Amino acid sequence: SQTIHQWPATLVQPVGSPLSLECTVEGTSNPNLYWYRQAAGRGLQLLFYSVGIGQISSEVPQNLSASRPQDRQFILSSKKLLLSDSGFYLCAWSAIGAPSGNTIYFGEGSWLTVV
Amino acid sequence: GQQVMQIPQYQHVQEGEDFTTYCNSSTTLSNIQWYKQRPGGHPVFLIQLVKSGEVKKQKRLTFQFGEAKKNSSLHITATQTTDVGTYFCAGPRRRDDKIIFGKGTRLHILP
Repeated sequence: SQTIHQWPATLVQPVGSPLSLECTVEGTSNPNLYWYRQAAGRGLQLLFYSVGIGQISSEVPQNLSASRPQDRQFILSSKKLLLSDSGFYLCAWSAIGAPSGNTIYFGEGSWLTVV
Repeated sequence: GQQVMQIPQYQHVQEGEDFTTYCNSSTTLSNIQWYKQRPGGHPVFLIQLVKSGEVKKQKRLTFQFGEAKKNSSLHITATQTTDVGTYFCAGPRRRDDKIIFGKGTRLHILP
């Protein structure tokens, strides 16, 4: 069966510090990969998605970036965090080539607090 | 741009009462999905509806997809404390099939 792992689960970072969140998927090949952000009490905002190694699409302008160095690895980064970057970050995957509207499977999320 | 909207944003109900959340899309959807996020947890897929007018049930949960495939509802009968959480509807974006989510309805159960 497929699993998705995301780490770290929580982190507190000072403003201006770098960020790296990592996510790996097991049990499937060539998945679509996603990073979502959820501000406190808010909905799910799609930040990045990837359909393959090195292929990243950005949804919103921001100081975050994403990379996909391996088929099942997705990394979210920032060189300098802002207070507004605080939130709950969720990595997710879906099956590539599935019918329209394929199901999204989420990791357990990473709580980021920028202080 | 294409949007998926949900109402209400929050709902408090007494345990045992029914609950309904509504989802509306600005465009016709090929399908609609529902997810549940428990407090402190991550969203978990509940169900997908594909056909116009489709109705599906999961125990006390009833999901409907509108005839025009632009709206949907989730109804919970006789709520229990385990129903607490945020319910999201989601659908594929027309231009690239990427899933976009509504802002969710947060359900609180009063004992």
